[in-house]
This record gives sequence, C-alpha cells and structure tokens, in this order.
Amino acid sequence: QVQLEESGPGLVKPSQTLSLTCTVSGASITSGGYYCSWIRQHPGKGLEWIGHIYYSGNTYYNPSLKSRAAISIDTSENQFSLRLNSVTAADTAVYYCARAPHYVSSGYTDAFDIWGQGTMVTVSS
Amino acid sequence: DIQMTQSPSALSASIGDRVTITCRASQAIRRDLAWYQQKLGKAPKRLISAASSLQSAVPSRFSGSGSGTEFTLTISSLQPEDFATYYCLQHNSYPYTFGQGTKLEI
Repeated sequence: QVQLEESGPGLVKPSQTLSLTCTVSGASITSGGYYCSWIRQHPGKGLEWIGHIYYSGNTYYNPSLKSRAAISIDTSENQFSLRLNSVTAADTAVYYCARAPHYVSSGYTDAFDIWGQGTMVTVSS
Repeated sequence: DIQMTQSPSALSASIGDRVTITCRASQAIRRDLAWYQQKLGKAPKRLISAASSLQSAVPSRFSGSGSGTEFTLTISSLQPEDFATYYCLQHNSYPYTFGQGTKLEI
C-alpha cells in the first residue's frame, strides 16, 4: 500500500526558504509510473497546484509562483522535496504531496490519486 | 490558465436528497477532470477520475458525467458521511487548476 508523508518546519520567517520533504513508502520513485506532486491549500481556501516532477527529472510548475518553487527527487531516500524561496505571509498554507499516475505509452497523466496527510506551514517572524 | 468555475459554492441539503454540483471549464478539457471530497482537516480523496470513472471503494451513489467544458458530480441519495467540501480538478493543461469548492452542509 503506497503512502506519502510530508515533513518539514512548521514555521518559516518571511524572505526565507520553505523546504518540505515527501517520503514515499510502498513503492519506489524510480519505478516510474507517476508524477510526484505538490499542492497547497491556504487556510479556509481552495486548492492550488504547485508543480510536479517525474523520476527522470521532467518538472512542471505553476507560473503563479513566479519561479520561486523548485521540486527535486532523492532516489536514494525515496523522497521528493519542495523548496519555495522568498516566502511571504501569502505562502502560509497546508502543503500536500501527492502522486499523479503517468502512463508512458500514451503520455497520459491522470489526476492525483494518493495524497499525504498535509503539513501546515506558517510564514511569520 | 484554464479557469474552473464550480457551482454552487455552498449547498444545504438533507439526508436522502439528490444533489448535483457543476464545474465549467473555460476551454475544452476532453474528459480530463476529477472530483475530490475533502473533510475538515483531511487530505482530499479522489472520488471520480476521467469525468465519470468511479474509484474503487467509493459508493455507487456518487456519479460523474460530462466532457469538454461542462461536468457534473451527482450524489443520488445523501448520507451523513457525505457532508464535506467537493472540488473538481482539470489536469488537461498546465497549470492544473481546481474549482473553488462546494461546501455541502446539512
């Protein structure tokens, strides 16, 4: 049974870099077959896709983040990470990692099927 | 970006009611649409993918339909555990975008 779990600091100071890690258990990231994704939810608000990465290194980001986001994979730890720089209070949110199944033969990427439980990050001095 | 307009934003209903939630895409997205249910403090749970494909273990009272720009999620007979917030997601084009959510209340 595949599980995802987010970890990282719950409090980040303005202008600093938010760093989160998602640990995948029950499957190997390098086996392929899905994109590793980050999604966030501002308090009491809707969902915003941040971006995702394939184990081969292909990455896609939401332009709304103005190139502040970077997603990477650590295959040795079976983890993937999010770094968001120059944070402000507007980046305060629950951050979720999730996987999006990807079918190489057709190039089709399905919607997120498995999510982590989410981690709250507050940006404040 | 593709805008997903979800309606209504809130809905009051009773046990046993039939309810329908709609998502409209600002441009055609084929059937690249999923529906999620989110309960307070929990991660979203995928109910339906590819517009109408029910996920395993999701009760058959949930159904989805549509293609192109208009999609619906229907709950045929509301149960107590269905009171939650529902979101649609388009994954046809980057950036992926969600509807603003529908809060289903008793």
